Amino acid sequence: QVQLVESGGGVVQPGRSLRLSCAASGFTFSSYGMHWVRQAPGKGLEWVAVISYDGSNKYYADSVKGRFTISRDNSKNTLYLQMNSLRVEDTAVFYCAKCGLNWGFLGSWGQGTLVTVSS
Amino acid sequence: EIVMTQSPATLSVSPGERATLSCRASQSVSSSLAWYQQKPGQAPRLLIYGASTTAPGIPARFSGSGSGTEFTLTISSLQSEDFALYYCQQYNNWPPLTFGGGTKVEIK
Repeated sequence: QVQLVESGGGVVQPGRSLRLSCAASGFTFSSYGMHWVRQAPGKGLEWVAVISYDGSNKYYADSVKGRFTISRDNSKNTLYLQMNSLRVEDTAVFYCAKCGLNWGFLGSWGQGTLVTVSS
Repeated sequence: EIVMTQSPATLSVSPGERATLSCRASQSVSSSLAWYQQKPGQAPRLLIYGASTTAPGIPARFSGSGSGTEFTLTISSLQSEDFALYYCQQYNNWPPLTFGGGTKVEIK
């Protein structure tokens, strides 16, 4: 079965960087687009970024464009999110998710990793 | 950016009753609409995609309908495990993917 395991979250000061990872198993990782979605404490879901199956196409939410970079290593079945210039408002649980049959919806989700940006 | 609006914010329903959740898009999203369920402390889970196609493993009591700008998620007979948050999400015109604010289904 599909398994997605995020890691790399933690407490970081504003302006600093953090890299999240998402280890995938149970499916052919190199055949699927992947997303990052976040959820601030007590708030709703916010889409962050998507990467195509081969890494050739990437799209970002305006709120993170220029600060976050999504990437993948298909040889390691791993998705990444490099987060630079972090802000207090980036505090959230970050989920990685596998695209569904259409890469616009999210067929399977990881359990999430908490990122707290605080001085 | 397409804005998704869900109503009501909270729905109080007794076990065994039907629940009807609404989702409205600020412009047509055709049938490119998904529904997710999220329980406290858990990740969201895909319930419905294509507005009306039930995802694998989802019980038949969950159904979706609608197209264009108006959508409905119906839970025909609420079970205890169905009390949760529900989100709709459009994928017709993106990026960005956009979610509704959620509907909390609580026990009456």
